Amino acid sequence: DAGVIQSPRHEVTEMGQEVTLRCKPISGHNSLFWYRQTMMRGLELLIYFNNNVPIDDSGMPEDRFSAKMPNASFSTLKIQPSEPRDSAVYFCASSLRQGLGNEQFFGPGTRLTVL
Amino acid sequence: AQSVTQPDIHITVSEGASLELRCNYSYGATPYLFWYVQSPGQGLQLLLKYFSGDTLVQGIKGFEAEFKRSQSSFNLRKPSVHWSDAAEYFCAVGARYGNKLVFGAGTILRVKS
Repeated sequence: DAGVIQSPRHEVTEMGQEVTLRCKPISGHNSLFWYRQTMMRGLELLIYFNNNVPIDDSGMPEDRFSAKMPNASFSTLKIQPSEPRDSAVYFCASSLRQGLGNEQFFGPGTRLTVL
Repeated sequence: AQSVTQPDIHITVSEGASLELRCNYSYGATPYLFWYVQSPGQGLQLLLKYFSGDTLVQGIKGFEAEFKRSQSSFNLRKPSVHWSDAAEYFCAVGARYGNKLVFGAGTILRVKS
């Protein structure tokens, strides 16, 4: 398997622009997680889905952030409008099922820079 | 709420020397505990995990960790470090029946030859 695939790997945009990050989980995995990694706050869970349904979005920082999972093989994280403080590395991870007994496999991340 | 403290931001060890990375957690019950490794430009990879049973757990790449309930610790060890072990290491905790991981701030390991 190719593992979790994220695109783009790097994104540079200007403040106020819309940014869309993409994730393809491992085939057959039913849970998907979006994380954000910054120097100041470390690695934080933003939202996770189970069977394409958002289960917990309490980590989404504000309404400018939204995430969707239209099918089992694709998810997006959108920031609109983007701000410089959104600059971070965004990771997508997937696991076979819900529950921490199931290993989360991480993608390589998308490094977002908002100017 | 769960929390994780990794007191060492950076650690430098010589190749072939032993390694111990510290992790302390805060959680009211027995948690699930994890160690992940992140190489530059890569995602996180699971090294090992503790759920229950034997408090000394073995992981990949020759790593092990010991759960000590009395000290709320889950320190990662390796008897002989290789240059390829240079990376950032994250300890994480989760609730036994939960779905969310809380990560520590990470420890950057440098290996000198």
